[in-house]
Amino acid sequence: DGGITQSPKYLFRKEGQNVTLSCEQNLNHDAMYWYRQDPGQGLRLIYYSQIVNDFQKGDIAEGYSVSREKKESFPLTVTSAQKNPTAFYLCASSTSGQAGSDGYTFGSGTRLTVV
Amino acid sequence: GIQVEQSPPDLILQEGANSTLRCNFSDSVNNLQWFHQNPWGQLINLFYIPSGTKQNGRLSATTVATERYSLLYISSSQTTDSGVYFCAVGADSWGKLQFGAGTQVVVTP
Repeated sequence: DGGITQSPKYLFRKEGQNVTLSCEQNLNHDAMYWYRQDPGQGLRLIYYSQIVNDFQKGDIAEGYSVSREKKESFPLTVTSAQKNPTAFYLCASSTSGQAGSDGYTFGSGTRLTVV
Repeated sequence: GIQVEQSPPDLILQEGANSTLRCNFSDSVNNLQWFHQNPWGQLINLFYIPSGTKQNGRLSATTVATERYSLLYISSSQTTDSGVYFCAVGADSWGKLQFGAGTQVVVTP
């Protein structure tokens, strides 16, 4: 079955460490997105990409970095520069920048905690 | 950016009841989606509905783009309908969405 796989489900980071969250999709979607969700709040956009080797900053990109070397993969690195990284991270994909007629598909998320 | 307001923030329903959730947005959009987030955090796309009306089982949605609002109807609610319902809108060619704060729905047996 097609879908988006995020790993790991839970991640613990020590102060000063960089960590990378994985997002892989086999839906043949062009566009991919990273969102952050804090408790009791909506989602905020970190980075997005419409094609391979191209990506754009979202509303809260500071302290994060991404790459898009393959259509299927859009990993997110949370760097030590991100001052408050504890959150729920969600990856999504869609058929095109216009999201087509079927909208976003989300992965199951990664819960990151700083220890 | 576009402002998205959802109401009510919380809703408690008895099983079998009907309800309406509202999403107001501050500017013209070319993309509007409704999502359901279950208690484990999984987000499921319910509707892609920048305009018009759609129905899927007990759920239906209507977007009146000219008046900048969308409504999500839940009929004959079930306990599995519990969770947070998000409205998200977009207005560019990149497909990026601005999310509302959500409506927390609890359906009691």
